[in-house]
Amino acid sequence: DTAVSQTPKYLVTQMGNDKSIKCEQNLGHDTMYWYKQDSKKFLKIMFSYNNKELIINETVPNRFSPKSPDKAHLNLHINSLELGDSAVYFCASSQAHGSEAFFGQGTRLTVV
Amino acid sequence: DQQVKQNSPSLSVQEGRISILNCDYTNSMFDYFLWYKKYPAEGPTFLISISSIKDKNEDGRFTVFLNKSAKHLSLHIVPSQPGDSAVYFCAASAEFQGAQKLVFGQGTRLTINP
Repeated sequence: DTAVSQTPKYLVTQMGNDKSIKCEQNLGHDTMYWYKQDSKKFLKIMFSYNNKELIINETVPNRFSPKSPDKAHLNLHINSLELGDSAVYFCASSQAHGSEAFFGQGTRLTVV
Repeated sequence: DQQVKQNSPSLSVQEGRISILNCDYTNSMFDYFLWYKKYPAEGPTFLISISSIKDKNEDGRFTVFLNKSAKHLSLHIVPSQPGDSAVYFCAASAEFQGAQKLVFGQGTRLTINP
């Protein structure tokens, strides 16, 4: 019974395509995040939603659009994919400030 | 602007000895700190945390130390075991619009040698 699950685990696609990554958490957390781990292995925050409201957008290109249909889901849609978008994307969730975040297993996106 | 820094990209330690991983932060708004462990092809998993009102937190073989004046924290693992070989991420948290903003360092790859 996975706490934070994201699909797909691997995604290979051509430049210019549009793709989505889905994330669901069953922990009842209020806050969900998307992180990007690039080729240098940095874990950079992209977005954070709290109770379905966007609260953090870390200067991510507007080709990236998160959508939170409800508290348990935060999906990431990427338009017009570029080579530089190749990375591992992690979804996470946490409760209030001062609690640990739980991560999904990651989605390795490869743009060719 | 890297608010959380782990200056050692890698660390190699002999089995049974102490592993010490370091982390520095710049933003005084951070008041909760966490360490995560990550294996290849998996998501980071929570290891241990510390609130800024404390200077030490211990959980079994893992101890985190916080020096607020130096804006520095460290993770001690003793004794180190081969299963501890992984990438360790330091993270710092600040309250942001009623929720939590969690910022990560760049990670330190720990290798435990038998």
